Amino acid sequence: DAGVIQSPRHEVTEMGQEVTLRCKPISGHDYLFWYRQTMMRGLELLIYFNNNVPIDDSGMPEDRFSAKMPNASFSTLKIQPSEPRDSAVYFCASSPGTFAGELFFGEGSRLTVL
Amino acid sequence: QKEVEQDPGPLSVPEGAIVSLNCTYSNSAFQYFMWYRQYSRKGPELLMYTYSSGNKEDGRFTAQVDKSSKYISLFIRDSQPSDSATYLCAMRRAEDYKLSFGAGTTVTVRA
Repeated sequence: DAGVIQSPRHEVTEMGQEVTLRCKPISGHDYLFWYRQTMMRGLELLIYFNNNVPIDDSGMPEDRFSAKMPNASFSTLKIQPSEPRDSAVYFCASSPGTFAGELFFGEGSRLTVL
Repeated sequence: QKEVEQDPGPLSVPEGAIVSLNCTYSNSAFQYFMWYRQYSRKGPELLMYTYSSGNKEDGRFTAQVDKSSKYISLFIRDSQPSDSATYLCAMRRAEDYKLSFGAGTTVTVRA
């Protein structure tokens, strides 16, 4: 299996621009998570989906952030407009929802907002 | 106060030493406890998980959970340079799959 695939791996943009991060989860996994990692705050859960339906978006920092999962094999995280404080590594993870609830992470999208 | 507290280190040990890592937590509803390893510029990967209290051993790794003290530990025996990474504890309630992570401890094993 190819694992969780994220794109782009690196994104540098200017403040005010729209940013779209993409994720392809592992086939057959029912859960998809978006996390953000920074030195100051560590790994923070932004939102997660079960069977393409958003279950908990309480971690989404503000209305500038939105996430969608139009089908079982694709999800996007969008930031509009972007700000320098959004600079972070954004991870997508998927899970089969088994006993342990193991998360399989992608390699992350490193976002820099100038 | 964060739900999960973890000393970020860094921790530097000689090859062959025992590495001891730990986390404390405040939410008594946590039932599943995990340790993830994250290499530089990579995503975290699951090392071990434990349900409720007790010990679990897997090769050179031992995970311990003490729910009465709200304290979990990970021990790495005979540490190798390839163990150099950031180790993150994570935990969740039984009702959902949301994982709360510690800050991560950066470990360097010197050859």
